[in-house]
Amino acid sequence: DAGITQSPRHKVTETGTPVTLRCHQTENHRYMYWYRQDPGHGLRLIHYSYGVKDTDKGEVSDGYSVSRSKTEDFLLTLESATSSQTSVYFCAITISGGAYHEQFFGPGTRLTVL
Amino acid sequence: QKEVEQNSGPLSVPEGAIASLNCTYSDRGSQSFFWYRQYSGKSPELIMFIYSNGDKEDGRFTAQLNKASQYVSLLIRDSQPSDSATYLCAVNVEEGYGGATNKLIFGTGTLLAVQP
Repeated sequence: DAGITQSPRHKVTETGTPVTLRCHQTENHRYMYWYRQDPGHGLRLIHYSYGVKDTDKGEVSDGYSVSRSKTEDFLLTLESATSSQTSVYFCAITISGGAYHEQFFGPGTRLTVL
Repeated sequence: QKEVEQNSGPLSVPEGAIASLNCTYSDRGSQSFFWYRQYSGKSPELIMFIYSNGDKEDGRFTAQLNKASQYVSLLIRDSQPSDSATYLCAVNVEEGYGGATNKLIFGTGTLLAVQP
């Protein structure tokens, strides 16, 4: 998993509660990403980061916020979880210095919002 | 809206046969193309990338790229039951000024089933 860990790996929560997912990498890569994966939709980019405190929105960012206060950690927050945010969430990194922007994924977090 | 299209399958092939997986993309400016393999319940794993027209071979895998037709494919020779997985095609996003970004757009994947 390219030195990427995600926590928690599984979470069940209730509608309206805040949820924070953590992505941790050990190799100081600059670029980090959060995706969600749903049947019929594939992987969709939520937010990404190109450095500490530098983040930008992806195609499905509504209802999500992110923070990156340290190179190694990228946090995804659902301020008030909804059932439509039930999904599998993957964190990814781009290897620094790579020429072709290939991305490597963490093990994923399965989130269920009841 | 930039898109990557794949047939969802399932694509069923007998063991030992060649599996052919196809992908088309809408952004003519895209320069880098990737194939990921994803086993059920696991994360995507990068298996091939290609950026020049033509073929790129790595073991039993061959990626083929035709930028004029906006088409990329993955061939798996001597298919094995362990190749049964979903294969995701991904394409690098180019910005309007011609610069490459570090963003990828993914297709929805093709499910490959290799029958023993």
